[in-house]
Amino acid sequence: AQKITQTQPGMFVQEKEAVTLDCTYDTSDPSYGLFWYKQPSSGEMIFLIYQGSYDQQNATEGRYSLNFQKARKSANLVISASQLGDSAMYFCAMREVNTGANSKLTFGKGITLSVRP
Amino acid sequence: DTGVSQNPRHKITKRGQNVTFRCDPISEHNRLYWYRQTLGQGPEFLTYFQNEAQLEKSRLLSDRFSAERPKGSFSTLEIQRTEQGDSAMYLCASSLDQGHKNTEAFFGQGTRLTVV
Repeated sequence: AQKITQTQPGMFVQEKEAVTLDCTYDTSDPSYGLFWYKQPSSGEMIFLIYQGSYDQQNATEGRYSLNFQKARKSANLVISASQLGDSAMYFCAMREVNTGANSKLTFGKGITLSVRP
Repeated sequence: DTGVSQNPRHKITKRGQNVTFRCDPISEHNRLYWYRQTLGQGPEFLTYFQNEAQLEKSRLLSDRFSAERPKGSFSTLEIQRTEQGDSAMYLCASSLDQGHKNTEAFFGQGTRLTVV
């Protein structure tokens, strides 16, 4: 089974509107972290936001917020007030802590977001 | 520049040749990771180092691949006898291990390898 699932096709959003990018995950580890990265056409992976499995509050970082629903195993990224520079690939990733591998990130396949002027 | 640096940015090589990539992590970071990303996919884990020790290797890392981090600072990834299937973006990342606290990994801009 895939650990990280991102199934949305390419997403489009109007500039200044909000958009939600979906991510579901699968793990039996009670301790894990969820990450979102942005990858523009230049190729660099840019860290956006992190949510820990034991965190009580949903994470927020500026215009980014994470809608964390633990029971449903979903960690959707919400981008508010979209900007043209938000056009990029977005990856959801997970790190499982107690498997003895407090190490690698497992990534989903990504979602392409295009912001329309 | 205090970010993760990778060299070269692009590499074109003939099938069967050996190639070596270099990664310079953020200086205080003790963990260094290598990932491979093919077109339309997310990055796939290859290997990681804690200081100079290589602690985990993916099954994707065949015996033609070798990675080193001799002094716990920069790392090299070598691919011997390259094949067309090795064509991909090779990403390096680093992070600061703080026990069980999850910390984000910072990525370099990658080395794009094309095997012809």
